[in-house]
Amino acid sequence: QTVVTQEPSFSVSPGGTVTLTCGLNSGSVSTSYYPSWYQQTPGQAPRTLIYRTNIRSSGVPDRFSGSILGNKAALTITGAQADDESDYYCALYMGRGTWAFGGGAKLTVL
Amino acid sequence: EVQLVDSGGGLVQPGGSLRLSCAASGFTFSNDYMSWVRQAPGKGLEWVANIKVDGSEKSYEDSVKGRFTISRDNAKNSLYLQMNSLRDEDTAVYYCATSSGYRFGYWGRGTLVTVSS
Repeated sequence: QTVVTQEPSFSVSPGGTVTLTCGLNSGSVSTSYYPSWYQQTPGQAPRTLIYRTNIRSSGVPDRFSGSILGNKAALTITGAQADDESDYYCALYMGRGTWAFGGGAKLTVL
Repeated sequence: EVQLVDSGGGLVQPGGSLRLSCAASGFTFSNDYMSWVRQAPGKGLEWVANIKVDGSEKSYEDSVKGRFTISRDNAKNSLYLQMNSLRDEDTAVYYCATSSGYRFGYWGRGTLVTVSS
């Protein structure tokens, strides 16, 4: 069974840079999986940040960027701000209209 | 302004059925793939089902195959999820979302389904 992996928690200082990654339990993540990233604060619906690996969704600040790093998809936040403190989820398109989400990563800004 | 309004959640006993709806506005609904994504209390996001623009192709997460049916009515700008044989583990907030372009672009606010005796 395919499992999408994310480190469960991160912390970053205000103004700092942090990179969250999204991998597969077997195999490498490539652009062919069309990785996307979502931000969610408690009690709210997710918000789309990045899609097709590195395209920022409308209105998303340019401090958020997406890439492939090695065998994983990555979300980098450069110049973190207090309101970036959220849960972050990656999603991979697995083909034939199916998707898989990672388990999520909780980012603390302190 | 794009709006997705999910509704139809509630409390249901194990083995019961429920039909969720999602009313879309502010975009051309008939041009967009649509999905349902759920989130169990305190847990992460889980993709549930996806439907093509014209309803001709549907896909499901393994644990809901044979129990859930996704459908749409483009004339009514509406998406549906018929959920049968509900289990405790189906308890979650269910979100409808657009899923064109290999992304979940727009999201509803979610509707809570609680399966409990």
